[in-house]
Amino acid sequence: GESVGLHLPTLSVQEGDNSIINCAYSNSASDYFIWYKQESGKGPQFIIDIRSNMDKRQGQRVTVLLNKTVKHLSLQIAATQPGDSAVYFCAEMTGTYKYIFGTGTRLKVLA
Amino acid sequence: DTGVSQNPRHKITKRGQNVTFRCDPISEHNRLYWYRQTLGQGPEFLTYFQNEAQLEKSRLLSDRFSAERPKGSFSTLEIQRTEQGDSAMYLCASSLKAGEPTDTQYFGPGTRLTVL
Repeated sequence: GESVGLHLPTLSVQEGDNSIINCAYSNSASDYFIWYKQESGKGPQFIIDIRSNMDKRQGQRVTVLLNKTVKHLSLQIAATQPGDSAVYFCAEMTGTYKYIFGTGTRLKVLA
Repeated sequence: DTGVSQNPRHKITKRGQNVTFRCDPISEHNRLYWYRQTLGQGPEFLTYFQNEAQLEKSRLLSDRFSAERPKGSFSTLEIQRTEQGDSAMYLCASSLKAGEPTDTQYFGPGTRLTVL
């Protein structure tokens, strides 16, 4: 069935290093992808999105890469900071409204 | 604050009781969504509204669950005869309708339900 999954449940990085969080999706018809950050006890916070007609999109310190050939999505965080510690979810949109989320990757930033 | 708001933030109830949660979306958003999230998992879609019309319900939404959006603004999610398996974070999100510049859903802080 349709699914969105993440390769690594926990990622630990040194403060100041770059982080890369990966995600695989299975629905080749999905045309919109989003990354969310979720801190403990809070709702998901939008980080960055990308449509299927693009392969890269940059924001402030974050970059999302989309490889439709292998159905792979990644989130790159530059110069990771302690405030980046959270669980990160990717989601794909099927149809016109429904998001399918993966199980999340916990990012731990080490001082 | 013009984000999505949810009330209450926490609810503890005994098994068999009814609970109701409220969501106030971003004011210009006409789509509203409910999700459920259990520990360590991503949110799972429950239902969504376009204005006051409920257009889809997930199989996860048993007949004990009912959602309304009577005036196309705030929404309520009611769970009747709660069970321990209903314990989860209930998230609300809103977005602009299709055809607008973005399909981004913005989430509220959630209501954490604990059923004893």
